[in-house]
Amino acid sequence: DARVTQTPRHKVTEMGQEVTMRCQPILGHNTVFWYRQTMMQGLELLAYFRNRAPLDDSGMPKDRFSAEMPDATLATLKIQPSEPRDSAVYFCASAEHQGIGEKLFFGSGTQLSVL
Amino acid sequence: RKEVEQDPGPFNVPEGATVAFNCTYSNSASQSFFWYRQDCRKEPKLLMSVYSSGNEDGRFTAQLNRASQYISLLIRDSKLSDSATYLCAVNKGAQKLVFGQGTRLTINP
Repeated sequence: DARVTQTPRHKVTEMGQEVTMRCQPILGHNTVFWYRQTMMQGLELLAYFRNRAPLDDSGMPKDRFSAEMPDATLATLKIQPSEPRDSAVYFCASAEHQGIGEKLFFGSGTQLSVL
Repeated sequence: RKEVEQDPGPFNVPEGATVAFNCTYSNSASQSFFWYRQDCRKEPKLLMSVYSSGNEDGRFTAQLNRASQYISLLIRDSKLSDSATYLCAVNKGAQKLVFGQGTRLTINP
């Protein structure tokens, strides 16, 4: 059963520390999304890639967040330096680009707590 | 105004009842729409796609009203296992999927 794999599942860190979250998309999926979910804001799109190229990262705070796809099997989201307001669940999702509309498959998420 | 809006609920309904909730969207150019289900502390999972006027899958029916810019989800003969948060998602264009805040549903025995 193909699935999106995210690591770590949980991360507790102190303010100012670097945080790196990793995602392995479903094999054959060429579009990868990073979302952040909080109680207040719901699911927010941070960035997404197609064929490893960044298409849109307008939802991401540029000064501290960065997203990359070093290869087709790995996407990373990095926060440096982390702040308490970054505490949230970060989801990676992948999709097979089909023209109109993407059916997203989500990973289990990384629960991030910044103290 | 948010791009995708949902009534957060919670909706509390007895088992066996029919329940429906709506989701409104602001971008009239949107072409594809989805309902996702999210269980507590889990990831969202695709429930249904809505590409034209509507879609039906067993007890679930999704409708699209382009004129009024909303989609709806109807659940018939609700089960305890239907308790979850239901998220609507709208393709904003350029393959960007924007989610609503979700509607929380609890089915009571």
